[in-house]
Amino acid sequence: GENVEQHPSTLSVQEGDSAVIKCTYSDSASNYFPWYKQELGKGPQLIIDIRSNVGEKKDQRIAVTLNKTAKHFSLHITETQPEDSAVYFCAENDNNDMRFGAGTRLTVKP
Amino acid sequence: GAVVSQHPSRVICKSGTSVKIECRSLDFQATTMFWYRQFPKKSLMLMATSNEGSKATYEQGVEKDKFLINHASLTLSTLTVTSAHPEDSSFYICSAKTGGAGYTFGSGTRLTVV
Repeated sequence: GENVEQHPSTLSVQEGDSAVIKCTYSDSASNYFPWYKQELGKGPQLIIDIRSNVGEKKDQRIAVTLNKTAKHFSLHITETQPEDSAVYFCAENDNNDMRFGAGTRLTVKP
Repeated sequence: GAVVSQHPSRVICKSGTSVKIECRSLDFQATTMFWYRQFPKKSLMLMATSNEGSKATYEQGVEKDKFLINHASLTLSTLTVTSAHPEDSSFYICSAKTGGAGYTFGSGTRLTVV
């Protein structure tokens, strides 16, 4: 079936460095691509999203890029801080179903 | 923004008993809510889609008689784990469609069956 692949599964960076997480999808009808941050013992929180008519979106230290032709999108976190440590999930939605990536555990070392 | 309130955050119950988890949309009406189960260090596993006023749609492999879902109003969906067993221990999360393609998640419920 159609799914979304997320890489890497774990990522460790030094405070202040950048972190990049990539997702690949297969459904051509997908038109909405959110990213969620999940802290331990909590529900996922939306941090940024992008729609298919846009190639890039930025919100302070967080940015998302979308390549519809190649069917992949990425989350970029710059100037990482220890509080960015969490599990990040990508997702894609074709107006019918939301499908989630397997998650990336990001650790930012002080 | 849209807020989804989920209660309880933690619950411990004895084997054989039932436990109910509530998911409420606080400032919007949610005709569709979703229930997920999450195992440690794993992604979200969709259990069922809850539609207001109709029967829930369960994913393959999810026992509908064990995981009872009720969505009687536009702001409340409940998940009842019936005759709970230790293997039902998990983190359960609800979400609601917030218009367009967006979803908002509840804060999750850690269920421990002893």
